[in-house]
Amino acid sequence: QSVLTQPPSVSGAPGQRVTISCTGSSSNIGAGYDVHWYQQLPGTAPKLLIYGNSNRPSGVPDRFSGSKSGTSASLAIAGLQPEDEADYYCQSYDSSLGAPSVFGTGTKVTVL
Amino acid sequence: QVQLQESGPGLVKPSQTLSLTCTVSGGSISSGSYYWSWIRQPAGKGLEWIGRIYTRGSTNYNPSLKSRVTISVDTSKNQFSLKLSSVTAADTAVYYCARAIVVVVPEAFDIWGQGTMVTVSS
Repeated sequence: QSVLTQPPSVSGAPGQRVTISCTGSSSNIGAGYDVHWYQQLPGTAPKLLIYGNSNRPSGVPDRFSGSKSGTSASLAIAGLQPEDEADYYCQSYDSSLGAPSVFGTGTKVTVL
Repeated sequence: QVQLQESGPGLVKPSQTLSLTCTVSGGSISSGSYYWSWIRQPAGKGLEWIGRIYTRGSTNYNPSLKSRVTISVDTSKNQFSLKLSSVTAADTAVYYCARAIVVVVPEAFDIWGQGTMVTVSS
C-alpha cells in the first residue's frame, strides 16, 4: 500500500474535464516535495506527463495540468479524449520511507 | 534522442538471482546529471521504485529490497544493470529501466524502456 493515495477510477464523457487526486501527508507532499504525474497507456511504459507539480514536458498537450496544495496534488484533464483512457500515477518523495521515490496507487481513467 | 532497452531472462527459478541489463542508445550514460533507475510493476498493480545509480556511480535502493538488490553501471558498454537475489514469486513483474532528471526532488523519470516481463517459477 502506497503513502500516496489516488482514487482507483474516474470517468468522463469526451470533452468533459476530469480531475485525479493524489493525497499524501506531512512527510511527503505536505513537506513541500514536488509531485510528478505519469500516463500509462495499455501495454506500454509510463510516460512523464507533468513534472515539478505543474510543468509539462515538451509535446504534452496543454489540456493536461497539475497543481498542488497542502498535502495533496491534482491532475486535471480538460477536453477529455478517447486516447486519454489510461492509468495515471503520481510520484513524490517521502521522508519517512528512506526511498527517494514513491508512486501513488494509480487511477484508471475511462472515457465513456 | 536517448532510448533505453531492457534485456535479460524472462524466466528465473525461485531462490536464484534475477539479472537484467539496460542499454542506453542515442547518448552517453556518462554525460549530464542523471539517475539511471529500475522500476517494476506486477501484473495489474502499481509501480514500485527499485533503485538508482548516479552517473558517477553512487547508488540508492528501496529499503524493502535493499538486502537483495545491486545496481551497477558499465560506461564502456553504455549499460547499467540490475541484480535481484533470492527471488520468489512475489518478484514476478514487468521490469522497467528509466532515466531520471535530477533538477527536481524527487527526480522525474523522463525516459523509460519498453519493459521486460520476468516470471519467477520453477
